[in-house]
Amino acid sequence: GENVEQHPSTLSVQEGDSAVIKCTYSDSASNYFPWYKQELGKGPQLIIDIRSNVGEKKDQRIAVTLNKTAKHFSLHITETQPEDSAVYFCAANSGYALNFGKGTSLLVTP
Amino acid sequence: NAGVTQTPKFQVLKTGQSMTLQCAQDMNHEYMSWYRQDPGMGLRLIHYSVGAGITDQGEVPNGYNVSRSTTEDFPLRLLSAAPSQTSVYFCASSYSGTGGEKLFFGSGTQLSVL
Repeated sequence: GENVEQHPSTLSVQEGDSAVIKCTYSDSASNYFPWYKQELGKGPQLIIDIRSNVGEKKDQRIAVTLNKTAKHFSLHITETQPEDSAVYFCAANSGYALNFGKGTSLLVTP
Repeated sequence: NAGVTQTPKFQVLKTGQSMTLQCAQDMNHEYMSWYRQDPGMGLRLIHYSVGAGITDQGEVPNGYNVSRSTTEDFPLRLLSAAPSQTSVYFCASSYSGTGGEKLFFGSGTQLSVL
């Protein structure tokens, strides 16, 4: 089955700096790559997704890049704010399933 | 507009007890799924359904049963709870019939098995 690896597991940045989280996947048939944000005590929430026919997608301060040849994709958050502090998960589809990475705990310090 | 509703929010069971975690969505989504979340392990898929009457296994299905008699409901059954099933359980649904796209998650059920 699909194996999704995510790095780093923890990330601490100062407010205003950029944060980058990277993921790799194993299933060459995967064509959908979402990112989820999970705040404490809540369920994950979709923040951005990208399909395999697109190399980059941006939504305000967040962007995702995809390199299908290398089987890796990344989340970029610019001008980080304290409210960006959360756990972020990448995922890749495999058949009818969505497989998640183990998460990155992002801390944005004022 | 409730979205995905999970009940109960917290549950404590003794080893060997059975229980059902409830999940309901009011968005007319065809696809529903159950995940468990353990520290350092991310979210792992237990079972999923692409429509009423259709279910299939995910990565960690052992010890869990599901059924999908209606579009709205997708209960998860633990027939004989074990301490290894202590976890936070999330139900999720999607409009996409191809599975997993733009999942909406519930707020979770925290289960402890003693």
